[in-house]
Amino acid sequence: DVKVTQSSRYLVKRTGEKVFLECVQDMDHENMFWYRQDPGLGLRLIYFSYDVKMKEKGDIPEGYSVSREKKERFSLILESASTNQTSMYLCASSTGGASGANVLTFGAGSRLTVL
Amino acid sequence: GQNIDQPTEMTATEGAIVQINCTYQTSGFNGLFWYQQHAGEAPTFLSYNVLDGLEEKGRFSSFLSRSKGYSYLLLKELQMKDSASYLCAVRDSNYQLIWGAGTKLIIKP
Repeated sequence: DVKVTQSSRYLVKRTGEKVFLECVQDMDHENMFWYRQDPGLGLRLIYFSYDVKMKEKGDIPEGYSVSREKKERFSLILESASTNQTSMYLCASSTGGASGANVLTFGAGSRLTVL
Repeated sequence: GQNIDQPTEMTATEGAIVQINCTYQTSGFNGLFWYQQHAGEAPTFLSYNVLDGLEEKGRFSSFLSRSKGYSYLLLKELQMKDSASYLCAVRDSNYQLIWGAGTKLIIKP
């Protein structure tokens, strides 16, 4: 019954390494999002996508990039990981359009530690 | 700037009622959401309010006053499984979600 799957639950990487976080959804949703979640802060949007091969910067895109080659898959890339990118990363998807609730369905999260 | 305020932590007793408040200042308003997040798990959708008033869904209800920039989530007949963080989020004029830091609810027997 899993609808949004994140490839890695826990990762430990070293400073400077390239990191790929994969997210796949099986609900045929148009919209996909990457957030990071840190203690004491609200979810912060990194990047989002409303369509295949389309991407938009969120509130904190610096140090990140994304790829959406297929509708169901949205990848987050850390080109050169740094310790301040240690965080929980949450992928989410929703239906498209500007009307209605467009409720987010989240993946279980990927906890990244950068040493 | 845009801001969502909610209490950091609340404690309640099993079987009781608890109200979690959320106040917001955002650039426009296109709906308010409540999500539940158990420790180590994904947030899951609880409720959506776009008009003033109370929306009831089983043991959970959510209230919205747009003029006051205020919402609350009301949980009745608390159960131990309701121990979780509750996230308030507002969709602004650009249809972007602004998130509160969440309220950790602790239920005691």
